[in-house]
Amino acid sequence: AQSVAQPEDQVNVAEGNPLTVKCTYSVSGNPYLFWYVQYPNRGLQFLLKYITGDNLVKGSYGFEAEFNKSQTSFHLKKPSALVSDSALYFCAVRGHNDMRFGAGTRLTVKP
Amino acid sequence: DTGVSQNPRHKITKRGQNVTFRCDPISEHNRLYWYRQTLGQGPEFLTYFQNEAQLEKSRLLSDRFSAERPKGSFSTLEIQRTEQGDSAMYLCASSSRAGGQETQYFGPGTRLLVL
Repeated sequence: AQSVAQPEDQVNVAEGNPLTVKCTYSVSGNPYLFWYVQYPNRGLQFLLKYITGDNLVKGSYGFEAEFNKSQTSFHLKKPSALVSDSALYFCAVRGHNDMRFGAGTRLTVKP
Repeated sequence: DTGVSQNPRHKITKRGQNVTFRCDPISEHNRLYWYRQTLGQGPEFLTYFQNEAQLEKSRLLSDRFSAERPKGSFSTLEIQRTEQGDSAMYLCASSSRAGGQETQYFGPGTRLLVL
């Protein structure tokens, strides 16, 4: 069955520093992987997805993610964090008829 | 605003009451999904529609939960005889393509509190 795991409940970074939010996956067949962000009391906003092709996927708000097949990972990255990036981040994998989400990682960017 | 909309945004009800939530998908999106999100967890899939057909409902949490999409546009999710454990955020998403190319776009959610 398709699944993802986010090993860190929380990530703290200083503004201006690079950030990484980790995600590992377990799939049968080709992985279709996604990152979403959730601000307080809001729904999920789509950031980016990996279908096939380049291992480095660029998305919204300066985020990118690196697909690594050998490590079964799909980490979210940003070269320079902003305080406004503070939010809850979810990794997800496409299942048969649904999306399967990780438990989320709370990112806090401190000024 | 052409995104997914959900109403109401918040609902407080007493245990045992019935509640109904509405979702309006992005115009012309033929797929519509319902998810539940509890505190500290990612969204959990409940059911989905392609046009007016409900193609997956085995993961609705109990027979107290039901969903409809009568004309293939908006959808409603009903919870009968609510319980305190039903307190959660209920999210709706829509998409226009199936398979690996699909991207689901989410609404703002309806937060339910059962007293």
